[in-house]
Amino acid sequence: DAGVTQSPTHLIKTRGQQVTLRCSPISGHKSVSWYQQVLGQGPQFIFQYYEKEERGRGNFPDRFSARQFPNYSSELNVNALLLGDSALYLCASSLGGSNQPQHFGDGTRLSIL
Amino acid sequence: DQQVKQNSPSLSVQEGRISILNCDYTNSMFDYFLWYKKYPAEGPTFLISISSIKDKNEDGRFTVFLNKSAKHLSLHIVPSQPGDSAVYFCAAYLLDAGNKLTFGGGTRVLVKP
Repeated sequence: DAGVTQSPTHLIKTRGQQVTLRCSPISGHKSVSWYQQVLGQGPQFIFQYYEKEERGRGNFPDRFSARQFPNYSSELNVNALLLGDSALYLCASSLGGSNQPQHFGDGTRLSIL
Repeated sequence: DQQVKQNSPSLSVQEGRISILNCDYTNSMFDYFLWYKKYPAEGPTFLISISSIKDKNEDGRFTVFLNKSAKHLSLHIVPSQPGDSAVYFCAAYLLDAGNKLTFGGGTRVLVKP
């Protein structure tokens, strides 16, 4: 079975631009979460979506937004990019119940010039 | 406010010996704790979890111990293998907060042949 897939794998943008990152969950998984991992740190929670509804939001500015589609895939949008947005963006999916581990994709490496 | 901390950024161990990774947390309300392993250019891979009502969980070469009074958990890998060389993250979550994982900063493990 395919795991969590993310696209693109790498992306280079300049300050002020906008970016859209995409995620396809494992088949059957209805919950998708997004994390930002800055070099040398652990992943930081950005959003969780379950059944197309936002279920949680981390401490990120309104420039960050996301949505989940009827097929449970998800997009993360970041507007007005800053240099500090350079990071690995990870998507994770799970069945959504309690004690269901999240399974991560390989991430999108975003570089802001 | 770092609720989950891994105070050892790196660990070097001989093949065949035991690797012990430590993690401290501040939020006594966490319901589950997890360990993930991450290779370069890949997403985190789930290893093992433990409920807050348990003090030990074992899966093959991996054992996680939880000391709630000390707000401390550890991951034991025995015997260590060269393929275990990776960055290990501990993470925790609250059932009430859905799938939001709070990660530590990671420990880089090097297993020497």
